[in-house]
Amino acid sequence: EILMTQSPATLSVSPGERATLSCRASQSVSSNLAWYQQIPGQAPRLLIYGASTRASGIPARFSASGSGTEFTLTISSLQSEDFASYYCQQYNKWPYTFGQGTKLDTK
Amino acid sequence: QDRLVESGGGLVKPGGSLKLSCATSGFTFSDYYMSWIRQAPGKGLEWVSHITSDGSMAFYADSVKGRITISRDNAKKSLYLQMNSLRVDDTAVYYCARVHGQWLGFWGQGTLVTVSS
Repeated sequence: EILMTQSPATLSVSPGERATLSCRASQSVSSNLAWYQQIPGQAPRLLIYGASTRASGIPARFSASGSGTEFTLTISSLQSEDFASYYCQQYNKWPYTFGQGTKLDTK
Repeated sequence: QDRLVESGGGLVKPGGSLKLSCATSGFTFSDYYMSWIRQAPGKGLEWVSHITSDGSMAFYADSVKGRITISRDNAKKSLYLQMNSLRVDDTAVYYCARVHGQWLGFWGQGTLVTVSS
């Protein structure tokens, strides 16, 4: 099973600032990586697939990069609605696995 | 618009059974692979199972293999999860999700399963 490790577990950032979240895979997943956002009390929603492609309706302030084992999600200027938990997920090999999540907190 | 509505969750004793349903609307259900993902209270996400668009193949996480069966009825536009021999650590919100490519493109709101004596 491919282990996905996200860092940091919690990130405290002020509104308007930039946030950078990391995700590492225990073995190469090529570009078969997605990012999801989960607001407390809500279902997750897809942000990114293919490691860097924004899903439909996702604002341009969300960007992502990486391949192989190292991936990054960047939110360029945090809005109030962006304070949530973020999960990476590999779909290169079954069982598809998620990272443990990064919680974005207001500083 | 597209909708996924889970139902069937509730309180069940260890060793018991439960069947979850996911009713869909707004899209051509039979065109998509579908999945179940769960989230234990305060924890992260676990992809439990997924099923091909025609129901011919299913995949399971090791943690549920042999205890859980995913199925679908394309005529009823519904997805199911039959859960047997439930354990305390199966307690979670169970989400159904539509698979796009091999990622989870659209999620329902979830149904809570609590396994407790």
